[in-house]
Amino acid sequence: QKEVEQNSGPLSVPEGAIASLNCTYSDRGSQSFFWYRQYSGKSPELIMSIYSNGDKEDGRFTAQLNKASQYVSLLIRDSQPSDSATYLCAVPARRGSSNTGKLIFGQGTTLQVKP
Amino acid sequence: DVKVTQSSRYLVKRTGEKVFLECVQDMDHENMFWYRQDPGLGLRLIYFSYDVKMKEKGDIPEGYSVSREKKERFSLILESASTNQTSMYLCASRTRRLDSYNEQFFGPGTRLTVL
Repeated sequence: QKEVEQNSGPLSVPEGAIASLNCTYSDRGSQSFFWYRQYSGKSPELIMSIYSNGDKEDGRFTAQLNKASQYVSLLIRDSQPSDSATYLCAVPARRGSSNTGKLIFGQGTTLQVKP
Repeated sequence: DVKVTQSSRYLVKRTGEKVFLECVQDMDHENMFWYRQDPGLGLRLIYFSYDVKMKEKGDIPEGYSVSREKKERFSLILESASTNQTSMYLCASRTRRLDSYNEQFFGPGTRLTVL
């Protein structure tokens, strides 16, 4: 079983719609979660970090965390063509109860926002 | 703002050459990472350095070595480049400060082609 799972997509949404990206993880003790955006040919850029259950909003982006169900979501409101990219979910790798400093990345979901 | 820079955006080398990829961060981060990213394989960790002169093998260290003589600089070395090392190479850094989310921040990447 993969430790961090994402639907590879592509997820296609019309401009102005809400895009919903999902990520599940296997380590029940995970405490922090990250979303990165990666444009084609570019490097990953951190867009959201979340620690606590519930929602965290930053502009058009909302991260939702549900530790009991072991999933974290990223919602993009009013999607724009410039949001078209691959979105990577990442969870810290742990050894026992300690954080190793490394991240486990999902394979990423490709989002296409159509004008 | 965190800044991670990499010595080259594009690099073309010949089989058997020794290749140096340099990464510099300006945020006094303790941890630094080298990844490679290939289509369909996602981000794979090559080496990790948790502090100066300290390193740990990642998931795919074969054919690579690293050097961290100064805190801000982390070098990836391909001792004898091979065509299967053609890839996008990404450097990242991370702080261990307790008042931080401890996210990783990526450099722009180096697209290496080995002919």
